Amino acid sequence: GAVVSQHPSWVICKSGTSVKIECRSLDFQATTMFWYRQFPKQSLMLMATSNEGSKATYEQGVEKDKFLINHASLTLSTLTVTSAHPEDSSFYICSAIEGGSTGELFFGEGSRLTVL
Amino acid sequence: QQQVKQSPQSLIVQKGGISIINCAYENTAFDYFPWYQQFPGKGPALLIAIRPDVSEKKEGRFTISFNKSAKQFSLHIMDSQPGDSATYFCAASIVPTRWVFGQGTELSVKP
Repeated sequence: GAVVSQHPSWVICKSGTSVKIECRSLDFQATTMFWYRQFPKQSLMLMATSNEGSKATYEQGVEKDKFLINHASLTLSTLTVTSAHPEDSSFYICSAIEGGSTGELFFGEGSRLTVL
Repeated sequence: QQQVKQSPQSLIVQKGGISIINCAYENTAFDYFPWYQQFPGKGPALLIAIRPDVSEKKEGRFTISFNKSAKQFSLHIMDSQPGDSATYFCAASIVPTRWVFGQGTELSVKP
């Protein structure tokens, strides 16, 4: 199957700083990417949908100014957690759909963010 | 309408046994039903998927049974192995714009 690479796999930062997580589709062009947040022993919570070249669509309750999403190319989407606080500590996962895909969703390996 | 209800929340099976996880949905617009396997600290990986025009799909030890009239589908893992111990998520999708995930089932296969 297609490969989605997510980096970094884990990051520790101080409260008040910003952290950027990258999501790349390595062998296909991803017209749509999704960003999820996952708490321990819970399901995937959709944060936003990003389409290449346009603004991300955020789910209700997700702060647009805190979680900045950019999908500048067909192979790269980034999530920036701005002014991070301990409550932003979580497992963040991206996923991507291949352009013209019949439905398969490919996930990245996830990024563990810990805010001290 | 957008929910997918998954059960059980956790499951313990002996090695060699059959693991069965069930999901139910409401929205008949869903047209793609995948199952994902997730190991701790990793992203989910597609295991097997089915479309509503098929009642069953088998890939190796994994089988999806789909009941369109009941709006239910299930994952069967035959000859369960300790390496199958993971969290399993069902999903329902309106391709390519929307995926709704179940709550997850933590499977533990005892040797």
